[in-house]
Amino acid sequence: GDSVTQMEGPVTLSEEAFLTINCTYTATGYPSLFWYVQYPGEGLQLLLKATKADDKGSNKGFEATYRKETTSFHLEKGSVQVSDSAVYFCALAHNAGNMLTFGGGTRLMVKP
Amino acid sequence: EAGVTQFPSHSVIEKGQTVTLRCDPISGHDNLYWYRRVMGKEIKFLLHFVKESKQDESGMPNNRFLAERTGGTYSTLKVQPAELEDSGVYFCASSQHISGSAIQYFGAGTRLSVL
Repeated sequence: GDSVTQMEGPVTLSEEAFLTINCTYTATGYPSLFWYVQYPGEGLQLLLKATKADDKGSNKGFEATYRKETTSFHLEKGSVQVSDSAVYFCALAHNAGNMLTFGGGTRLMVKP
Repeated sequence: EAGVTQFPSHSVIEKGQTVTLRCDPISGHDNLYWYRRVMGKEIKFLLHFVKESKQDESGMPNNRFLAERTGGTYSTLKVQPAELEDSGVYFCASSQHISGSAIQYFGAGTRLSVL
């Protein structure tokens, strides 16, 4: 079956540092890939997505590129802020049914 | 426009009791999903409604869990009787479309604690 693996946290960075959160997946076919973010006390929000190989999703300074050859969708940001502190989830979905398969989540803590 | 709302936000019950969680999706969204995150592990799919019909309930753990969506609007998830391993955060999500690239909008979740 499908699975998503992401680096375990917590990841602790200083403000303005570069962020990478690794995500790899196992799936048949060509799923869509997502990054969701959960801020403290809130629900999951879509951060960005990519629907086919070599697509780059981007939002709020975050980027991730759909790499079919390495089955990866790593999340990056050039300069993190304290307000980026949250839990980040990598996920995939197929066209049939659209159920999401999530990774375990990575907690990011950004210190001033 | 209101987002996905869930209540209660937190429920504490004793083993063997019954609990009912409610989810109100975004108006007009035919697709409604339930997920849960147990013990800090992955968020796992439970089931998917299209309007009032169960499209996929392959993730439901056992027959102690019953989900309904009468009238195709709000949904309830009942756990009866609750066990210790049911503790976790239950998320509801809704989407307008069913394709793999469709965005699912999540509620804040219900944290269930079974003592």
